Amino acid sequence: DGGITQSPKYLFRKEGQNVTLSCEQNLNHDAMYWYRQDPGQGLRLIYYSQIVNDFQKGDIAEGYSVSREKKESFPLTVTSAQKNPTAFYLCASRPDRATGNTIYFGEGSWLTVV
Amino acid sequence: AQTVTQSQPEMSVQEAETVTLSCTYDTSESNYYLFWYKQPPSRQMILVIRQEAYKQQNATENRFSVNFQKAAKSFSLKISDSQLGDTAMYFCAFMKGTSGSRLTFGEGTQLTVNP
Repeated sequence: DGGITQSPKYLFRKEGQNVTLSCEQNLNHDAMYWYRQDPGQGLRLIYYSQIVNDFQKGDIAEGYSVSREKKESFPLTVTSAQKNPTAFYLCASRPDRATGNTIYFGEGSWLTVV
Repeated sequence: AQTVTQSQPEMSVQEAETVTLSCTYDTSESNYYLFWYKQPPSRQMILVIRQEAYKQQNATENRFSVNFQKAAKSFSLKISDSQLGDTAMYFCAFMKGTSGSRLTFGEGTQLTVNP
């Protein structure tokens, strides 16, 4: 099936650990995004990438890192520098501008610090 | 920078009735897109409806329609014949119509449809 796959669905992190959230899409979309959602709040942009090997910081990039080595993959690493990482994380993707301007989302990943 | 404001944190409606969710935005762009996304308890973000700013005609998708007032920078969502499955958080979102664009979201409106 075509779509955006995030894994794991639930992840627990100990204090001081880095963790990586996976995001894979088989839609052949050019752009990919990571958003963070805290309880009862809207989505805030962490990082986004328009093409392979290029990415830009969003509004809350501190304590996070990403890579875009392949078109279909955009993993997010939550580092120990992120002081309050417990949240719901959503990955999204978008076709190139010529074919569409709608952003589609994965099912999300829950990260909890224990 | 663009901002999106949803002034109604919570709303409720009786099943089969009509409800309107409000959204205003602030931008200096002339080319942009507006969206309503639905987030049910599963947390999946589902696209409800999309509006291109250059189109004067309001977008419609089955029971969902928008009232797009470009001069007033207003983008409300009307849900007709509300169903229990419409219970969700609804987010209004803005995106510039240029390369490198990203979605900017409002804070959301929690809609509850009562039987």
